[in-house]
Amino acid sequence: GNSVTQMEGPVTLSEEAFLTINCTYTATGYPSLFWYVQYPGEGLQLLLKATKADDKGSNKGFEATYRKETTSFHLEKGSVQVSDSAVYFCALRSTSGTYKYIFGTGTRLKVLA
Amino acid sequence: KAGVTQTPRYLIKTRGQQVTLSCSPISGHRSVSWYQQTPGQGLQFLFEYFSETQRNKGNFPGRFSGRQFSNSRSEMNVSTLELGDSALYLCASSLTGQGTDTQYFGPGTRLTVL
Repeated sequence: GNSVTQMEGPVTLSEEAFLTINCTYTATGYPSLFWYVQYPGEGLQLLLKATKADDKGSNKGFEATYRKETTSFHLEKGSVQVSDSAVYFCALRSTSGTYKYIFGTGTRLKVLA
Repeated sequence: KAGVTQTPRYLIKTRGQQVTLSCSPISGHRSVSWYQQTPGQGLQFLFEYFSETQRNKGNFPGRFSGRQFSNSRSEMNVSTLELGDSALYLCASSLTGQGTDTQYFGPGTRLTVL
């Protein structure tokens, strides 16, 4: 079945450091891919998405490229801020069949001033 | 446009009781999904409703049930509560729940079972 694997956390970085959170997936067909972010005490917010191969999703300085050849959707940001501290979830959604969302386990990011 | 709203935000119950959680989707959205989030299990899919019908279901016992009304609002019910039901329950809505549709999440209801 479909699955999402993302890197274990926590990830601790200094402010202005480069961020990469790895995400790989297993799916049949051509799923849509998402990154969601969860701040303490809140629900998940959509950060960015990509719906087909080679698409690049971007938002608030974060980017991720849909790589079908490596079945990956790594999240990157060039310069993180303390306010980026949160838990990041990679997710996929099949575009056929049940259309269920499958989420990764989440990666906690802590940015130090 | 207002986002997904969930009520109540916090709830404390005791074992054996039952609880009903409510979710109002974004206006125009007809698909509503429910998730349970716990530190140990992460985010687990409970069920999805579309046009008042359950369309998808996760692997949860029958104590967990839901329904959707004609205005797309949804409720989730848990009967005979157990300690392990303590979790953040998240509701998410989308236009149709199909194709390249995107889910938008509410803030969640934090349920504590004592």
